[in-house]
Amino acid sequence: SAVISQKPSRDICQRGTSLTIQCQVDSQVTMMFWYRQQPGQSLTLIATANQGSEATYESGFVIDKFPISRPNLTFSTLTVSNMSPEDSSIYLCSARQGTSTEAFFGQGTRLTVV
Amino acid sequence: KNQVEQSPQSLIILEGKNCTLQCNYTVSPFSNLRWYKQDTGRGPVSLTIMTFSENTKSNGRYTATLDADTKQSSLHITASQLSDSASYICVVSDGYGQNFVFGPGTRLSVLP
Repeated sequence: SAVISQKPSRDICQRGTSLTIQCQVDSQVTMMFWYRQQPGQSLTLIATANQGSEATYESGFVIDKFPISRPNLTFSTLTVSNMSPEDSSIYLCSARQGTSTEAFFGQGTRLTVV
Repeated sequence: KNQVEQSPQSLIILEGKNCTLQCNYTVSPFSNLRWYKQDTGRGPVSLTIMTFSENTKSNGRYTATLDADTKQSSLHITASQLSDSASYICVVSDGYGQNFVFGPGTRLSVLP
């Protein structure tokens, strides 16, 4: 199994600012992902974080708004840029070794933009 | 369009009772189906993973079933406990298991 640590666990930010969320896995993993979960909703995939190359974004999400880094096989960051109240949500990091193996999630970062 | 639907949207039961949550999907081709438990303010935690050839899998008081022909799954919780209060999310992987399609979840509340 893999243990995923995310930080911060929560933050309240002013509109127009940016927040970087960190995701640390306790072992090397092949795949890392970032999700958004809006209140009362299920998870929506933002992007796949690719080690050593640009992230792969899902429809509706762009790199300028959600830049992602993945410098190695255990660490990734997601930045929420130029925030607006609509960005208030829970952001979750996920990791797995392969396509059919267990997927692990961090505890999430609860972001409130005021 | 690949979709996962869950019912009921929410459920309230008394401690000690059993309950069954439903998941229907239209994901194709099918790779595997997972049930996750998500406590409030926490990330999802896996309960079961089932492939096409598996029709039942248990994890303690949780038993998941899968009917790949009708594209339905259920999660049965036996002798519910207060700590079972959470959202239960059905997730289906398509193709080679690369893409996860998340259901909206069922919010379960177990009352004393």
